[in-house]
Amino acid sequence: NAGVMQNPRHLVRRRGQEARLRCSPMKGHSHVYWYRQLPEEGLKFMVYLQKENIIDESGMPKERFSAEFPKEGPSILRIQQVVRGDSAAYFCASSPPGQGRSNQPQHFGDGTRLSIL
Amino acid sequence: KQEVTQIPAALSVPEGENLVLNCSFTDSAIYNLQWFRQDPGKGLTSLLLIQSSQREQTSGRLNASLDKSSGRSTLYIAASQPGDSATYLCAVKGNSGAGSYQLTFGKGTKLSVIP
Repeated sequence: NAGVMQNPRHLVRRRGQEARLRCSPMKGHSHVYWYRQLPEEGLKFMVYLQKENIIDESGMPKERFSAEFPKEGPSILRIQQVVRGDSAAYFCASSPPGQGRSNQPQHFGDGTRLSIL
Repeated sequence: KQEVTQIPAALSVPEGENLVLNCSFTDSAIYNLQWFRQDPGKGLTSLLLIQSSQREQTSGRLNASLDKSSGRSTLYIAASQPGDSATYLCAVKGNSGAGSYQLTFGKGTKLSVIP
């Protein structure tokens, strides 16, 4: 499967635990984006990363949330001390590098459904 | 701040009917506009991408138009089929600052095609 891979597909955590969501971009893509879809809401941008760099984190909550995209391995979205309001679908997208990258389409994974008990 | 609105929120049509989904955006300074399909519990499938310099894009029974100056796009689905039932999302990418990286989504139109 050459698409964007996210795991796990479903994640259940109790309040106060940590959630780690993983995203492997499409082959050849070096740009990763995370979006969150709350129930009955549209997708909201969270963060944009390139390898080893956070480019735009304007959509990330100020506390408890962090993201990384290391030189090797998948991108990780980490949520510490989860609360009920963190229950949502988290989607990762990727796009290729190169000139005119702002016109490149973003390709989405199937998402991780996070449920907080 | 860019805002994207999709009308209607839900639509039910009989099989075989042609239909139009609407999307409007408040800031015309965009790089492109994308239409996606989302099935329940699934990810997003890109249907069509229109660059800001383009007026329309076609793929099979789908045709998307873009009027950047008025901040509007439409997705036309011809001869609808039950398999078209899904939520259709419209998203725009801005062309200035941080907006040039992120997509701004509407809440979607939930389409049901009745056999």
